[in-house]
Amino acid sequence: TQLLEQSPQFLSIQEGENLTVYCNSSSVFSSLQWYRQEPGEGPVLLVTVVTGGEVKKLKRLTFQFGDARKDSSLHITAAQPGDTGLYLCAGENNNDMRFGAGTRLTVKP
Amino acid sequence: NAGVMQNPRHLVRRRGQEARLRCSPMKGHSHVYWYRQLPEEGLKFMVYLQKENIIDESGMPKERFSAEFPKEGPSILRIQQVVRGDSAAYFCASSAQGQLGTEAFFGQGTRLTVV
Repeated sequence: TQLLEQSPQFLSIQEGENLTVYCNSSSVFSSLQWYRQEPGEGPVLLVTVVTGGEVKKLKRLTFQFGDARKDSSLHITAAQPGDTGLYLCAGENNNDMRFGAGTRLTVKP
Repeated sequence: NAGVMQNPRHLVRRRGQEARLRCSPMKGHSHVYWYRQLPEEGLKFMVYLQKENIIDESGMPKERFSAEFPKEGPSILRIQQVVRGDSAAYFCASSAQGQLGTEAFFGQGTRLTVV
């Protein structure tokens, strides 16, 4: 079983649509990171959130850390084909990091 | 993520051979994590190491797999007597010590193919 559950597992949308993906756990984390991975490459860090309730924005991407620091969401506005990839969340406690299985996003032109 | 170096990028082994995967962390990073990824799947935790110590190897098979992170040199993930089911991408990540919100940076992975 995964420590972090990500949903949905797969998501296919049209260019211009909005979407939200989720990362949930029963554990509390000191911090949570979101990564994006493209085929044939390693995951690339997008953002780190450390405070319960924290919201961070990165252009069209909005990340939120739950108040209890157990869950997080990633919202993408006006998705573009370049957003296609595997989105992974990772929870960290005392430098020990565990990943969810990811949400595989496809944005069709 | 270019700072974490993994080699080789691609490795082909016959069943029964040994595979040795290397990971040089980013400068100043003393924590290394190994993950395995099957095609179209997410990352599965294998092992977490600090210099000369295995902190958590709960994700690593008890047989044939071992990992080390010596005082000097890269971290090594070793797979003995490989089988076809070991074929996967193996990613290494490193992070710095003792910082709130420690971030991990990944290498580009080693793609192991067992034939």
